[in-house]
Amino acid sequence: NAGVTQTPKFQVLKTGQSMTLQCAQDMNHEYMSWYRQDPGMGLRLIHYSVGAGITDQGEVPNGYNVSRSTTEDFPLRLLSAAPSQTSVYFCASSGTLHTGELFFGEGSRLTVL
Amino acid sequence: SQKIEQNSEALNIQEGKTATLTCNYTNYSPAYLQWYRQDPGRGPVFLLLIRENEKEKRKERLKVTFDTTLKQSLFHITASQPADSATYLCALPPDSWGKLQFGAGTQVVVTP
Repeated sequence: NAGVTQTPKFQVLKTGQSMTLQCAQDMNHEYMSWYRQDPGMGLRLIHYSVGAGITDQGEVPNGYNVSRSTTEDFPLRLLSAAPSQTSVYFCASSGTLHTGELFFGEGSRLTVL
Repeated sequence: SQKIEQNSEALNIQEGKTATLTCNYTNYSPAYLQWYRQDPGRGPVFLLLIRENEKEKRKERLKVTFDTTLKQSLFHITASQPADSATYLCALPPDSWGKLQFGAGTQVVVTP
């Protein structure tokens, strides 16, 4: 069991470029989510999904898109990168929609110049 | 949504002592609260969940309390060890499920 796998671990982008952060889980979890973590601000929810074909916005969705075509994968797309999107991004999944513990990936550190 | 407050100052503690962390929230009382541990450069790892009708929960050297009157949870690490050095995050569900909210975390440094 690999758990939650994120790629890439590190990425540097120029302002205006687009990219996709990949997230895959092998635990057959219905719930998946993306957070960003900035110093002093904690983890903030970007988007989440409660199953294939279903996504919804979190606290800070602007500038990001998601899709959920399979149970396993939940990619996060940056449409036109901005310096404000420099952050560490975490993907998480849970097998229980209520009170379930979150399983996190190792994170993707993104720098936008 | 909730405002979640954790002490932003690092907690420095000697090995063998008990570390106590606080998590305060400001709005409605959640049905449960979770605690996670995060090591540098790694993703958070789930430690404990405590429900609103539970006053206390234990797991090995960890103890969590939940006081809905004070709107506060306390997280205790007893007989602390250098390996306990990490950042500890509390998390609460807001008014709709699926949107777990996290505090900024408190760093614990345990020195031998």
